[in-house]
Amino acid sequence: DAGVTQSPTHLIKTRGQQVTLRCSPISGHKSVSWYQQVLGQGPQFIFQYYEKEERGRGNFPDRFSARQFPNYSSELNVNALLLGDSALYLCASSLVQENQPQHFGDGTRLSIL
Amino acid sequence: QKEVEQDPGPLSVPEGAIVSLNCTYSNSAFQYFMWYRQYSRKGPELLMYTYSSGNKEDGRFTAQVDKSSKYISLFIRDSQPSDSATYLCALGPYSSASKIIFGSGTRLSIRP
Repeated sequence: DAGVTQSPTHLIKTRGQQVTLRCSPISGHKSVSWYQQVLGQGPQFIFQYYEKEERGRGNFPDRFSARQFPNYSSELNVNALLLGDSALYLCASSLVQENQPQHFGDGTRLSIL
Repeated sequence: QKEVEQDPGPLSVPEGAIVSLNCTYSNSAFQYFMWYRQYSRKGPELLMYTYSSGNKEDGRFTAQVDKSSKYISLFIRDSQPSDSATYLCALGPYSSASKIIFGSGTRLSIRP
């Protein structure tokens, strides 16, 4: 079975631009979460979506937004990119919203010039 | 003070050694404990998860949770060069996957 898939794998943008990252969860998984991982740090929670509704939001500015589609795939959008947004963006899926371990994709590496 | 503290290492041990990786935490609401392994340029891979205090074993890996001391450990027996990676602890409250907090990760290197 396919794991969590993310696209693109790498992306280079300039300050002020906008970016959209995509995630397909494991088949049957209804919960998708997004994380930002800066080099040398653990992942930091951005959003969780379950059954197409936002169920949690981390401490990130409003420039970050996300949505989940009827097929449970998800997009993360970041507007007005800053140099500090350079990071590995990870998507994780789980069967349900809570009490289940999350399985991660390999992420999208975003570089801001 | 961070909610989850993890020694960043790097930790270097010879092949075959027993490895001990640890995290401490401050929030007693954490009831759900996970260990992930992350290879370079890859996403975190779930190794083990548990809800309770005590030990949980899976092959060469043992996860240990001491809620009274707010201390969790991962032991790797008969370590192999392929175990060289960054190990992340992750903790969360029982009721919400959205509040999972990760440690900063420990870089582990197994010398052949």
